[in-house]
Order: sequence, then structure tokens, then C-alpha cells
Amino acid sequence: QLQLQESGPGLVRPSETLSLTCTVSGDSINTRAYYWGWVRQSPGMGLQWIGNIYYTGIAYYNPSLRSRVTISTDTSTNQFSLRVKSVTAADTALYYCARGPSRGPDGLFDYWGQGILVTVSS
Amino acid sequence: ESVLTQSPGTLSLSLGEGATLSCRASQTVSNNYLAWYQQKPGQAPRLLIYGASSRASGVPDRFSGSGSGTDFTLTISRLEPEDFAVYYCQQYGGSVTFGPGTTVDSK
Repeated sequence: QLQLQESGPGLVRPSETLSLTCTVSGDSINTRAYYWGWVRQSPGMGLQWIGNIYYTGIAYYNPSLRSRVTISTDTSTNQFSLRVKSVTAADTALYYCARGPSRGPDGLFDYWGQGILVTVSS
Repeated sequence: ESVLTQSPGTLSLSLGEGATLSCRASQTVSNNYLAWYQQKPGQAPRLLIYGASSRASGVPDRFSGSGSGTDFTLTISRLEPEDFAVYYCQQYGGSVTFGPGTTVDSK
């Protein structure tokens, strides 16, 4: 059974870098069938697509976040990661990792992790 | 960026009633790349509908999606207790955005 589990610090200081990891079990991230991505949710912004990455290592990002975001994979540990640099309070959100079918376009997710709350505060 | 608007904001209904949720895009949704998700408190969103009208795996057939262009609808034919939740529409592909959601609660 597929499971996605987010991990990382729950508190990040302003101007620093937010780093999260998604551990996938029950499937390999090194597959043509799916892409792997991140979505965040906050009371102010609602649901926001951050980006997703294919097994090739090619990633696509939300244009509004592209300059600050990097998604990467580690096939040896079956994990993928998110980095958001220069964070502000506006980056405070519940962050979800998710899986999407690569036969379709970016941004559609059919399986989600439970989410991790990240607060940006000094 | 195409903006999605959902109506109504809240729908108060009784068990067994039907529900009709609307999603309108400010620009044409290419290839009908429009999805619907259900979210319950403390849970991640769950994919219900993709491609405007295709049900995701395991989704009951009381859920159906329709529409094209800029106007889309999610219909729940007969509400079950587990259907009370927040429903989001999403466009994906070139422009990936979510609507603000419609809450379906118990009257």
C-alpha cells in the first residue's frame, strides 16, 4: 500500500531556508508512471501548487514561487525533497507531498501524504 | 493566471438530498483539465474527479462531474454521512490553481 510521509522542522526562522522530505513506501519514485510533488495550504492562500518532479529529475514549478523553490529526488532512499529559500511569514502553511500520474499534465495528484505544518517565525 | 471561483460558499443539506457545486474559471480551461477534490477536517485532499468528468479510482458513482470551457459542476446525487466536507476544484496543466472551496454541511 502506497504511503507518503512528510518530515522536517516545524519551525523556520524568517529569511532562512525551509527544507522538507517526503518518504515514499509501497512504490518506487524512480518510475515513468508518476511524478511527485508538493502542495501547501494556508488560511490566507488556500491550496497552492508548489511544483512536481519526474523520474528524469526534471521539475516544474509554480511561476510565483519558482525563484525560491527547488524540488529534488533521492532514488537511493526513495525520497523527494522541497527547499524554499528566503522564507517569510507568508510561507507558513500545511505542506503536503503527493503523487500524480505522468500520463497527464502537471499538478494533478491522486495520492497525498497527511501533511506537515511549518510555521515561519522568529 | 486563470482564477477559479466556486459557488456557493456553503451548502446546507440533509442526508439523501442531491448537491450541485459550481466552479467557474476566468479563462478557458484547456483540454478540460479540471479536477475536484474532497477534504475532511484533519485530512489531506482526496481526488474525486479529473478531466472534468472522469471518476478517480474508488470514488462512488453518486459523484459526477460535468462541464467544459469555463463552467464546471460537481454533482452528488444522494448525500451520505461521509460526504459532508469541503470540495475544491482545480485546474491543472499549464496553469495550476485551486478554487476557494465549497463547504457541504448538514442542515
